[in-house]
Amino acid sequence: ETGVTQSPTHLIKTRGQQVTLRCSSQSGHNTVSWYQQALGQGPQFIFQYYREEENGRGNFPPRFSGLQFPNYSSELNVNALELDDSALYLCASSQRTSGGETQYFGPGTRLLVL
Amino acid sequence: AQSVTQPDIHITVSEGASLELRCNYSYGATPYLFWYVQSPGQGLQLLLKYFSGDTLVQGIKGFEAEFKRSQSSFNLRKPSVHWSDAAEYFCAVGEENNDMRFGAGTRLTVKP
Repeated sequence: ETGVTQSPTHLIKTRGQQVTLRCSSQSGHNTVSWYQQALGQGPQFIFQYYREEENGRGNFPPRFSGLQFPNYSSELNVNALELDDSALYLCASSQRTSGGETQYFGPGTRLLVL
Repeated sequence: AQSVTQPDIHITVSEGASLELRCNYSYGATPYLFWYVQSPGQGLQLLLKYFSGDTLVQGIKGFEAEFKRSQSSFNLRKPSVHWSDAAEYFCAVGEENNDMRFGAGTRLTVKP
């Protein structure tokens, strides 16, 4: 196990609703990244937080937003849910270094939008 | 921008046979390269990584991968596959201090 935890494990929402997903990073890690994995596809980068600031964003609309807290845990918020938002949402934590960082993934939150 | 291609969507091998999963990347500089494995409904587990140095890297569960700059490849190998290796395998390329790009994955089926 990586020490990265996510909650909830599963979630069902309806179109137009809002959702908040949570992630606790591995001890000693200061960076959290979020990914969306649609069924049968590889993970797609949503954004990354380093020391409570957004540090890079993938091709996702502004209704996907996030936060990182002083203890380095993080939230992913999605507003105005659409059917295509149904996916496994993965959180990964890492420790920023000069020589490249390794991301360790949590078990994910499976979101179903009806 | 970097990208990753895993040419094989699905591979079936017999238990005890050798395995090679292919990964090609597109990146301007020396990339950081990773292989992850995902069991159904689970998160991603790191198998191995390459940042620099020896181009043959050893990972967990008996896996190894070789970085070949001339071929822009980072293929994953295992000499003898076990039934528990059946899973989805993802190759990924990362920039320093930034996001990772994943391939579409290769699903491995192991025949008894």
